[in-house]
Amino acid sequence: GDSVTQMEGPVTLSEEAFLTINCTYTATGYPSLFWYVQYPGEGLQLLLKATKADDKGSNKGFEATYRKETTSFHLEKGSVQVSDSAVYFCALSGWKTSGSRLTFGEGTQLTVNP
Amino acid sequence: EAQVTQNPRYLITVTGKKLTVTCSQNMNHEYMSWYRQDPGLGLRQIYYSMNVEVTDKGDVPEGYKVSRKEKRNFPLILESPSPNQTSLYFCASRATGLTNEKLFFGSGTQLSVL
Repeated sequence: GDSVTQMEGPVTLSEEAFLTINCTYTATGYPSLFWYVQYPGEGLQLLLKATKADDKGSNKGFEATYRKETTSFHLEKGSVQVSDSAVYFCALSGWKTSGSRLTFGEGTQLTVNP
Repeated sequence: EAQVTQNPRYLITVTGKKLTVTCSQNMNHEYMSWYRQDPGLGLRQIYYSMNVEVTDKGDVPEGYKVSRKEKRNFPLILESPSPNQTSLYFCASRATGLTNEKLFFGSGTQLSVL
């Protein structure tokens, strides 16, 4: 079945550092890929998405490129801020299931220190 | 304001005492779903519903029930809660028709079963 694997956390960075959170997936067909973010005490929010190979999703300075050859969707940001501290989830929506579910990774806790 | 509302936010109960967590959305979404979030496991889907009177099991349905009598509401029922159901629960909704539509999440219900 479909699965998503994220890099182990937690990740601690200083403000203005470069961020990469790795995400790889296993799926049949052509899934859509997502990054969701969960701020403390809140539900998940969609951060960005990509629906086909080589698409780049971007939002709030974050980017991720859908790489079918490496089955990856790594999240990057050039300069993190304290306000980026949150848990980040990689997810996929399998096309065969007609969007009936998202499969999530384990989540990566990011802490940004001033 | 578009939102998914869950209640209660926090719940402490004892083994075997039936409980219901309510979920309501005001976006006229056909699709609704319940997830549980556990450390190191990410989010796992419990049940989902593609429309009124249509529900189906997710990855971890044991010990849970749901109903979808109205489009806006999707309650989660624990008939006889057990300690292994202690978790953070999220309700989510989205429009159907495309697999890449984003999910809207509620703020979560932290359940403790003693």
